[in-house]
Amino acid sequence: DTAVSQTPKYLVTQMGNDKSIKCEQNLGHDTMYWYKQDSKKFLKIMFSYNNKELIINETVPNRFSPKSPDKAHLNLHINSLELGDSAVYFCASSSGTLSSYEQYFGPGTRLTVT
Amino acid sequence: RKEVEQDPGPFNVPEGATVAFNCTYSNSASQSFFWYRQDCRKEPKLLMSVYSSGNEDGRFTAQLNRASQYISLLIRDSKLSDSATYLCVVSSSNTGKLIFGQGTTLQVKP
Repeated sequence: DTAVSQTPKYLVTQMGNDKSIKCEQNLGHDTMYWYKQDSKKFLKIMFSYNNKELIINETVPNRFSPKSPDKAHLNLHINSLELGDSAVYFCASSSGTLSSYEQYFGPGTRLTVT
Repeated sequence: RKEVEQDPGPFNVPEGATVAFNCTYSNSASQSFFWYRQDCRKEPKLLMSVYSSGNEDGRFTAQLNRASQYISLLIRDSKLSDSATYLCVVSSSNTGKLIFGQGTTLQVKP
């Protein structure tokens, strides 16, 4: 009964490839997020969707494209992968967009680009 | 200047010790404040929200000083299981955007 799940857990790929990471939440939440945690452990928001609508789009290369087919799913597609994309990507969800709402994180996808 | 700054540590303390972590934030319009905990190679999890009046949850006490833009977390009677990275988190909008500090690593030793 995992609340926020991500697939795959590990992803090793070569530069230039295109890959996708999937996220699903079964909490009935309206808002979902993608975060990137780099090698220095900084966790930074990339995107968020509320009821399938994009509401946060940080300064992220346009090689990264999120897609929310429904409010329980938020996928992340990355084109032309670069070495600097190596990081842990976390999906999260919350009841809504109010800043006071707790965000629940998925287990992360560890992406390694070689 | 980073939006949220923490001393990365590591803090190495014996079991039973009291340890305090501090955090400063740069945006005076920040509205919500949290401490999250992240175990090694795991996802962050909410430890507690932080309120101006201060709040306590068992061995954990969080304080917020809006005037100084300063947040603290006090852990009393440290347990081995408290070993983790503690992330100071601030939100200044109603879009759900959270700004994370770098985290402070705590290692509690027997």
